[in-house]
Amino acid sequence: DQQVKQNSPSLSVQEGRISILNCDYTNSMFDYFLWYKKYPAEGPTFLISISSIKDKNEDGRFTVFLNKSAKHLSLHIVPSQPGDSAVYFCAAITGNQFYFGTGTSLTVIP
Amino acid sequence: NAGVTQTPKFQVLKTGQSMTLQCAQDMNHNSMYWYRQDPGMGLRLIYYSASEGTTDKGEVPNGYNVSRLNKREFSLRLESAAPSQTSVYFCASNPSPRGADTQYFGPGTRLTVL
Repeated sequence: DQQVKQNSPSLSVQEGRISILNCDYTNSMFDYFLWYKKYPAEGPTFLISISSIKDKNEDGRFTVFLNKSAKHLSLHIVPSQPGDSAVYFCAAITGNQFYFGTGTSLTVIP
Repeated sequence: NAGVTQTPKFQVLKTGQSMTLQCAQDMNHNSMYWYRQDPGMGLRLIYYSASEGTTDKGEVPNGYNVSRLNKREFSLRLESAAPSQTSVYFCASNPSPRGADTQYFGPGTRLTVL
């Protein structure tokens, strides 16, 4: 049973525009959420995180929004750059365990 | 500072063979994790070790065993490999046992079981 879901397997965006990646979760016990970026043949790398007590966290071009009532998380990338093309995973933590979504492949078109 | 290293990078096994995937981290992290990544399934936790000397099952532990040899090393063993274990395996480590910090991932081991 997938507790963290990314319903869009892929997304294409023009360079300079906004990329919005979405993530839904089912477990209300999750207390920390993260986004990871993954290039082919490499391990995922951490991008940005948010605690469940906040609704927004910003780091440069990346902003994560959390809507606890809707159990929904989103990552905004503004402006999108070709180097952002990668697979993005959202993850949620409860206790010592991380739960990952299935990933969204982002392509930024120059 | 190499971060998280994994060996081997690639491996092909026949059904029923055994092997051990090695993972080491040089960041003095307490927690270590093994994941598998399959198409359409994301990353799924196999086993984790919150601290040296402890191990716990994750979502998909069947068919695997682990050893936390010391603080640096966390190995994953397949005693009798099956085609369903064909996957990419990632090791990761965390600074804190609580797991609320970020995880640092190794480059992965691509395993094929024929």
